[in-house]
Amino acid sequence: GNSVTQMEGPVTLSEEAFLTINCTYTATGYPSLFWYVQYPGEGLQLLLKATKADDKGSNKGFEATYRKETTSFHLEKGSVQVSDSAVYFCALPGITAGGTSYGKLTFGQGTILTVHP
Amino acid sequence: GAGVSQTPSNKVTEKGKYVELRCDPISGHTALYWYRQSLGQGPEFLIYFQGTGAADDSGLPNDRFFAVRPEGSVSTLKIQRTERGDSAVYLCASSLGGPLSGANVLTFGAGSRLTVL
Repeated sequence: GNSVTQMEGPVTLSEEAFLTINCTYTATGYPSLFWYVQYPGEGLQLLLKATKADDKGSNKGFEATYRKETTSFHLEKGSVQVSDSAVYFCALPGITAGGTSYGKLTFGQGTILTVHP
Repeated sequence: GAGVSQTPSNKVTEKGKYVELRCDPISGHTALYWYRQSLGQGPEFLIYFQGTGAADDSGLPNDRFFAVRPEGSVSTLKIQRTERGDSAVYLCASSLGGPLSGANVLTFGAGSRLTVL
């Protein structure tokens, strides 16, 4: 089945630093890939997604490119802010016995990001 | 409603007791998912409903766990004879579209935190 491996955290940065959180996946075919974020005291929410190879998802200054050659979907941001402090999860959908992608998500273990002023 | 609503937000119970957790999805979302998130981990899939039927219950850990969605909207996760290891945050999510759309974005509720003493 589909699986995802996420870099182990936590990550601590100063404001305006560059951020990379690594995510690699194993999948049948080319499913959509997602980054979800969980801010302190809030529910899990979609940060960005890419639906096919070479797509770049972007939101709130974050970007991730779907790279089939390296089976990766690394999350990047050029200049982090204190408000970006959160837990970040890489995720991909499940796969049916017939090889069709569907909405059941498999998540990485999460990376805790702390940004200091 | 505007978002996915989960009740209760917190539940403390004693070992051996029965617990029900409720999820009210976004109106019109036909797919509903239950996940469990333990401290420091990513969400783990429990069960997925498409309409009223459980399309995939492969994540339920044992027969103490059961979920229903009798009218294709509200869902209840039921846990019998609770154990301390059941302590976690139980997340509900819903999404648009049919069951075979891996590009669908899941909208999550804030979760129900269960503590078994």
